[in-house]
Amino acid sequence: DAKTTQPPSMDCAEGRAANLPCNHSTISGNEYVYWYRQIHSQGPQYIIHGLKNNETNEMASLIITEDRKSSTLILPHATLRDTAVYYCIVRVVVAGNMLTFGGGTRLMVKP
Amino acid sequence: EAQVTQNPRYLITVTGKKLTVTCSQNMNHEYMSWYRQDPGLGLRQIYYSMNVEVTDKGDVPEGYKVSRKEKRNFPLILESPSPNQTSLYFCASRERNTGELFFGEGSRLTVL
Repeated sequence: DAKTTQPPSMDCAEGRAANLPCNHSTISGNEYVYWYRQIHSQGPQYIIHGLKNNETNEMASLIITEDRKSSTLILPHATLRDTAVYYCIVRVVVAGNMLTFGGGTRLMVKP
Repeated sequence: EAQVTQNPRYLITVTGKKLTVTCSQNMNHEYMSWYRQDPGLGLRQIYYSMNVEVTDKGDVPEGYKVSRKEKRNFPLILESPSPNQTSLYFCASRERNTGELFFGEGSRLTVL
């Protein structure tokens, strides 16, 4: 698996966009970028994933640079309930073993 | 509703008393896995299974056993628990086409 680097923590004002960066400079051509988040000690929750095109769903947008060496998860209007640890992972979809989660970014949304 | 169910959610036990944490998924996923989460160490994979009767070690398999006799269930067995196995445990299953992981709500285990 390609290694990812994320800032350990970030703050965001409620109602503003939260932009969470992730560096994955050693990503391979067949590896996808996945984002998950974990609220308190709940099970991690899938947010979004992409290969090289930008992706958007009801939760977030994922912007992947043209060289695929970095990406940004965007929460367009952050709420207090978005306070969580966000994990960026790169992985081949159908690889045998499962994803390994690193330290992630602790996002604090403030009123 | 698509879900992964773990039991028990909370357990306090004593060293050496065998225990099993059950995990069941209703999405017909082939892939399932167990993780443990400890402060400062993130989520570490214990065991995973690619299909029925196929299991493999993850990063931290020592002291654990698993079985996969049927697709929906993937129990985690601690034959002789020790205090260093005190942790928060998560079971997950994976959707084949997208690779999306679905996690259970977690099982907090304390070994005294």
